[in-house]
Amino acid sequence: DAGITQSPRHKVTETGTPVTLRCHQTENHRYMYWYRQDPGHGLRLIHYSYGVKDTDKGEVSDGYSVSRSKTEDFLLTLESATSSQTSVYFCAVRDIGSGNTIYFGEGSWLTVV
Amino acid sequence: TQLLEQSPQFLSIQEGENLTVYCNSSSVFSSLQWYRQEPGEGPVLLVTVVTGGEVKKLKRLTFQFGDARKDSSLHITAAQPGDTGLYLCAGISGTYKYIFGTGTRLKVLA
Repeated sequence: DAGITQSPRHKVTETGTPVTLRCHQTENHRYMYWYRQDPGHGLRLIHYSYGVKDTDKGEVSDGYSVSRSKTEDFLLTLESATSSQTSVYFCAVRDIGSGNTIYFGEGSWLTVV
Repeated sequence: TQLLEQSPQFLSIQEGENLTVYCNSSSVFSSLQWYRQEPGEGPVLLVTVVTGGEVKKLKRLTFQFGDARKDSSLHITAAQPGDTGLYLCAGISGTYKYIFGTGTRLKVLA
């Protein structure tokens, strides 16, 4: 258990509204990641962070922004949600001490109607 | 963009059969990992392979890292219904990025 909590776990929102997903970790991991998972696409990297205020884009970053003002929190924001952003979102941390094992949160199910 | 392509995408087999899942890339990885994901949960690490040509066994699962460190395979012997799930390979791209393969969804029928 890497102490990762995602919130909200489930959300339904309307097209055009902003949405923020929160990832909170208690183990002081430096590296944090946001992925989305859709059928037939495995896990696709949206954004990642390699330290406080240090973030970068992943493969599918369009329409998403992130912030990391504290080690323990990594926020993913959909500025103006679209139906194509309906997905399951996973936050993850990379544990250097265990050979770069990636530990995942429980996932956030987002539906944009 | 580095990609990890997995094949097959779907696999449905009978209990007791053997199977192999492949993970291929055009890029070299310093290491590759395999994860299994069950419905409603996040993926969980099965194994990490680091050295080209390395073979690791985890009970009925055998993992191999290609000599050129561009590909990996997962072989399951005598599959059981409990092996059902989504299998994902993953690797570090550059210094910080962690990318995952396209996934293989396995269903083992009793």
